[in-house]
Amino acid sequence: QSVLTQPPSASGTPGQRVTISCSGSSSNIGSNYVYWYHQLPGTAPKLLIYRNNQRPSGVPDRFSGSKSGTSVSLAISGLRSEDEADYYCATWDDNLNRVVFGGGTKLTVL
Amino acid sequence: QVQLQESGPGLVKPSETLSLTCTVSGDSVSSGSYYWSWIRQPPGKGLEWIGYIYYSGSTNYNPSLKSRVTISVDTSKNQLSLKLSSVTAADTAVYFCARAPRLCSSASCYAEGGWFDPWGQGTLVIVSS
Repeated sequence: QSVLTQPPSASGTPGQRVTISCSGSSSNIGSNYVYWYHQLPGTAPKLLIYRNNQRPSGVPDRFSGSKSGTSVSLAISGLRSEDEADYYCATWDDNLNRVVFGGGTKLTVL
Repeated sequence: QVQLQESGPGLVKPSETLSLTCTVSGDSVSSGSYYWSWIRQPPGKGLEWIGYIYYSGSTNYNPSLKSRVTISVDTSKNQLSLKLSSVTAADTAVYFCARAPRLCSSASCYAEGGWFDPWGQGTLVIVSS
């Protein structure tokens, strides 16, 4: 199982707001920046959020990240059909001395 | 814009060595501002970080793969390479290369762990006899 825990699935209807959680520990999320990626089927992951809550240029402000202690959340507002993808959180783990990823959350837009 | 493109054999026999190349365009692997990384994803599963390399040759590997992994960089060809020895079916995956920002503190410089942008499109490697 993954070091970072994400729900395997999430869903919402168009226009809705959904959140995806990612929980870890003091050696990873608790002491390092967290990054979020989304991955459409058959494509490479794409950076969505960096340093907990920063959006790269080109990423809509519908996407936002937050962090509290050893957990982070990705919020997507105004849900659109093209948001249907897999979402991954990632960070460095000081004890394991490696990058760790969450197991991924499959977002379905109903 | 920066583009990364993985290439290499799509089929490797068990116990042999997997070898892949990532060609970078739009940036220089020796620019100094970035590390370069390999990440893999078994079919239908999540992401696993393999390692980082800086243009100087400095590397940082996933401890679980360290004994089998070699990442190198060829600045003349603007490429990075991955070698994974003694492969088994568990190494079947899509292999991605990616760029990672370099951070420096008063003590040292390192890749900002978890930050990968952009990624190559990935290449599927199947380990089978």
